[in-house]
Amino acid sequence: AQSVSQHNHHVILSEAASLELGCNYSYGGTVNLFWYVQYPGQHLQLLLKYFSGDPLVKGIKGFEAEFIKSKFSFNLRKPSVQWSDTAEYFCAVNRGSQGNLIFGKGTKLSVKP
Amino acid sequence: DGGITQSPKYLFRKEGQNVTLSCEQNLNHDAMYWYRQDPGQGLRLIYYSQIVNDFQKGDIAEGYSVSREKKESFPLTVTSAQKNPTAFYLCASSPRGGYTGNTIYFGEGSWLTVV
Repeated sequence: AQSVSQHNHHVILSEAASLELGCNYSYGGTVNLFWYVQYPGQHLQLLLKYFSGDPLVKGIKGFEAEFIKSKFSFNLRKPSVQWSDTAEYFCAVNRGSQGNLIFGKGTKLSVKP
Repeated sequence: DGGITQSPKYLFRKEGQNVTLSCEQNLNHDAMYWYRQDPGQGLRLIYYSQIVNDFQKGDIAEGYSVSREKKESFPLTVTSAQKNPTAFYLCASSPRGGYTGNTIYFGEGSWLTVV
């Protein structure tokens, strides 16, 4: 069965630190990959997505993610975090022909001002 | 404004009662979904519908029911058979059903508490 693993449950950083959140998936076929963000009290928003082409994907608010097929990974990065990046981040993979998503358990990011 | 509207935002239910959560979208999307979010568990799929008058069970459908009589509406009923109904429920939609290139968009969610 397909699954998505996010390795860090809670990450705490100071402002201006660099961020990398890990995401691995288990599925041997073609995948579409997503990162969603949920700011406190807000709904889930799409941060970025990978369908095909350049494996380095740029999203909103300075986030980027790199798809490494050989490692089944889609890690999220940001060079310098801000306090406003405090949120929960979810990695997701498209579930084949059904079109719906399988989510990881989420990583909570706390950025100290 | 275009989007996905869920209501109510907060709901309290007594044990043994059914409750229905509303989800309406005006994005003209074919597919709609219901997810449940629990702390530390991520999002888990309850039901999804790729087209009007059709829906399929997701990973945790037991104790839930849905209908899809109109394209824009996908209500979720949490029945008394659902053993742990207290959770945050998210409705979502995407332009096409059964398509791997989907981007799924989410509503603001509904908090259900069973007292």
